[in-house]
Amino acid sequence: GIQVEQSPPDLILQEGANSTLRCNFSDSVNNLQWFHQNPWGQLINLFYIPSGTKQNGRLSATTVATERYSLLYISSSQTTDSGVYFCAGILTGGGNKLTFGTGTQLKVEL
Amino acid sequence: DVKVTQSSRYLVKRTGEKVFLECVQDMDHENMFWYRQDPGLGLRLIYFSYDVKMKEKGDIPEGYSVSREKKERFSLILESASTNQTSMYLCASTDRAEGGEQYFGPGTRLTVT
Repeated sequence: GIQVEQSPPDLILQEGANSTLRCNFSDSVNNLQWFHQNPWGQLINLFYIPSGTKQNGRLSATTVATERYSLLYISSSQTTDSGVYFCAGILTGGGNKLTFGTGTQLKVEL
Repeated sequence: DVKVTQSSRYLVKRTGEKVFLECVQDMDHENMFWYRQDPGLGLRLIYFSYDVKMKEKGDIPEGYSVSREKKERFSLILESASTNQTSMYLCASTDRAEGGEQYFGPGTRLTVT
């Protein structure tokens, strides 16, 4: 299977700051997802982005498939953005076996 | 919107009990999954199903079984619960046979005492 690495592992921001989270994967993928895990443990789908760029409000994501990385941008961060952000990918030809990174723990302070 | 629900948010069971975790999705997805999440180990795939009555082992199937009698429902069974099965259990579904976007339920936090 693929290896998925995320950085940074921990991040503390002041409210209103911007940030970039990175996800590197070891092989070509046909699925790359970003999730936010809320304090109750639920994984919220942020983006399904095997390639290209998408935006949703203050969040945007870019996947450069040829270079095997994806970036999640958070702009004008809010305290409700706190939590753990995961990226996960499926190896091309790997069916539906989703491999998760170890996550970025984000804390947004007032 | 895709909706995946799980029967319990929190569950406490005793060692040796048989435990059923239920997952239901309302989007007619053919593929369903069970993961567990543990600190330091991340999310790991236990079992998945690509059709009714079909199942395949994931990375950590030992100690678990599954049942898929109806398309919308996927059950995870702990035949004889043990303390090392204390974990967060997450169910997911997708409509594609390969590379599909997976949608997750709210999770069940199981404690085995």
